[in-house]
Amino acid sequence: DADVTQTPRNRITKTGKRIMLECSQTKGHDRMYWYRQDPGLGLRLIYYSFDVKDINKGEISDGYSVSRQAQAKFSLSLESAIPNQTALYFCATSEAGTSGRPTLYEQYFGPGTRLTVT
Amino acid sequence: AQSVTQLDSQVPVFEEAPVELRCNYSSSVSVYLFWYVQYPNQGLQLLLKYLSGSTLVKGINGFEAEFNKSQTSFHLRKPSVHISDTAEYFCAVSGRGGSEKLVFGKGTKLTVNP
Repeated sequence: DADVTQTPRNRITKTGKRIMLECSQTKGHDRMYWYRQDPGLGLRLIYYSFDVKDINKGEISDGYSVSRQAQAKFSLSLESAIPNQTALYFCATSEAGTSGRPTLYEQYFGPGTRLTVT
Repeated sequence: AQSVTQLDSQVPVFEEAPVELRCNYSSSVSVYLFWYVQYPNQGLQLLLKYLSGSTLVKGINGFEAEFNKSQTSFHLRKPSVHISDTAEYFCAVSGRGGSEKLVFGKGTKLTVNP
């Protein structure tokens, strides 16, 4: 079984609809991330969470919200979807630690959710 | 803050030819460096990483990269590519603090032709 799973894998929705993307992990990692990927723009960080009580905005958080329901679950919501939120969304996880444990910077990615907003 | 520039958005090569994918970074602090690969319709997986020590690092599938601090570069190389190496490759950087995040480049699409 995959260590990081995302549901749904594909979703088509209409402008103005609320949608939730879910991420679950079995790696036991404390840190979780949501990215979006657009052609030619690479991956951009939307939100990240270093533990269940810690939620932080990334570089492109406007129009998105997140919920960390448990160590293993991190959900991304689009409250009112718009067409320019059409993208590939990735969840990732990494270990917690200090700068003395550099392996914490290795992130493990889910398979992605392809979202289309019409 | 850190930033990453991948100098080529697309690199076409023939099978069994060598390839170099270029990555330059900018940072005011010491960094960790990574290359990730994304095969078609899949998520990203780690190819290799530089944390400390030897500046030449070897990764999976015969790839290697060299960290050059003076030129702030971390170029990825493979001496002989296969069709199966066709993928998008992302360079990423993180500062060495305890709560630093990864910053990704925009990606280089490598296409290996027969």
